[in-house]
Amino acid sequence: DAGITQSPRHKVTETGTPVTLRCHQTENHRYMYWYRQDPGHGLRLIHYSYGVKDTDKGEVSDGYSVSRSKTEDFLLTLESATSSQTSVYFCAISGVRQGGYEQYFGPGTRLTVT
Amino acid sequence: AQSVAQPEDQVNVAEGNPLTVKCTYSVSGNPYLFWYVQYPNRGLQFLLKYITGDNLVKGSYGFEAEFNKSQTSFHLKKPSALVSDSALYFCAVRDGTGNMLTFGGGTRLMVKP
Repeated sequence: DAGITQSPRHKVTETGTPVTLRCHQTENHRYMYWYRQDPGHGLRLIHYSYGVKDTDKGEVSDGYSVSRSKTEDFLLTLESATSSQTSVYFCAISGVRQGGYEQYFGPGTRLTVT
Repeated sequence: AQSVAQPEDQVNVAEGNPLTVKCTYSVSGNPYLFWYVQYPNRGLQFLLKYITGDNLVKGSYGFEAEFNKSQTSFHLKKPSALVSDSALYFCAVRDGTGNMLTFGGGTRLMVKP
């Protein structure tokens, strides 16, 4: 999985609780992305980062925040989890070595909000 | 806004037969096109890309894709399917200036022995 790890891999949480997912890369790539995957919707971009402390919103950013204090780590936070945020979350990276084009994905985090 | 359509939710093919998974796109400017494969409980794996050059692009595991600008299509193909090719396939597009990929909804490929 191209030097990308995600933690935790599985999490069950209750509605209203905060949740933080972590993405860690060892490739020193500039760009990092958070997606969610839901049946019938493919992958949808939540937020992305183009450098340390530089982030921007994606297609489905409501209810999510991100932070990137180091090149290797990109955190996704659900401030107050809702059942509609039950999903599989994928982190991806891309960088100059690929010309900044294709993205490489982590193994995913399955989040269940009860 | 850019978009990708994968018109078939599922494609069934017999082992040894050729396979095609369809993808059409909409983007302003020159498209950068990608195919990814996802096996159960795994992340997406990059298969191939079209940036510029030859319309027929070769990728991993014997897959290839044909870029057709007039039809705005980027269909994935393989001359002889294997049972192990059974997986979920995603087409994606980005424009020449952005950093965001837009994915299609995915096509499940089922290869039967």
